[in-house]
Amino acid sequence: AAGVIQSPRHLIKEKRETATLKCYPIPRHDTVYWYQQGPGQDPQFLISFYEKMQSDKGSIPDRFSAQQFSDYHSELNMSSLELGDSALYFCASSLQGEGKNIQYFGAGTRLSVL
Amino acid sequence: AQTVTQSQPEMSVQEAETVTLSCTYDTSESDYYLFWYKQPPSRQMILVIRQEAYKQQNATENRFSVNFQKAAKSFSLKISDSQLGDAAMYFCAYPNRDDKIIFGKGTRLHILP
Repeated sequence: AAGVIQSPRHLIKEKRETATLKCYPIPRHDTVYWYQQGPGQDPQFLISFYEKMQSDKGSIPDRFSAQQFSDYHSELNMSSLELGDSALYFCASSLQGEGKNIQYFGAGTRLSVL
Repeated sequence: AQTVTQSQPEMSVQEAETVTLSCTYDTSESDYYLFWYKQPPSRQMILVIRQEAYKQQNATENRFSVNFQKAAKSFSLKISDSQLGDAAMYFCAYPNRDDKIIFGKGTRLHILP
C-alpha cells in the first residue's frame, strides 16, 4: 500500500539559508500535518492543512511557512535557518472522518543546519 | 491543558518475556482516542495500537495489548513474547479535538537476548 512520501530524506544547509521540505500524502487523504522532532525529543506539532486550507497551527516560527497544493501535497518552507532548526521533520496524512483521522507518518526529513 | 506523561524513560526486557510501558494523560474530553507509536532506529513513526475511549474493551493487536483505565486516565502498553525487533522508542499519543497529536516524552525499550 502507498505510504506518505517525504523528500528529501536528508538535507544539509548552512545558517541563514532556506530549505523546502516536501510531503506527498497517501492517495485520497485530504489532511496533512507537519511535526518537528529535535534530538532526543518527542515530536512537536507545527501546522496542519485540510483541503488546502490551514486548519491548525502549533509552535511554528514565523520564519517557517507551509501550504497544501491542489494535488494535496504539502511543502514546508524554512527561511533564515538557525542551528536549532536541526531536527527530524515528519509529515503525516489522514482522511477526515476515517477512524478518528488516524495519522500515518512519512519516514521524515532529517535537516542538519551547519 | 492536555498532557501525556510517560514516567519510564528507559526499560529493558528479556527476549520472549512480557513488558508493560506506562502512560497517563489528562483531558477534559469524554470521547477521544489514544495511540501508541513505535519509533525504531530508522526513526520511522509506526502506529502500534489505538484505543477508543468509549470502548470498555482493551485493544489488542497480536502481541500488543493495552490496559485502558479511563477513570484513572491511564493507558499502558503490554508487549508479550518480546522480540529483538521490538527494540525502539515508544510514544504514547493523544490526538486532541483538532487532531493535533500530543506525544509523551517516550520510553526507550531495550530487548536483551
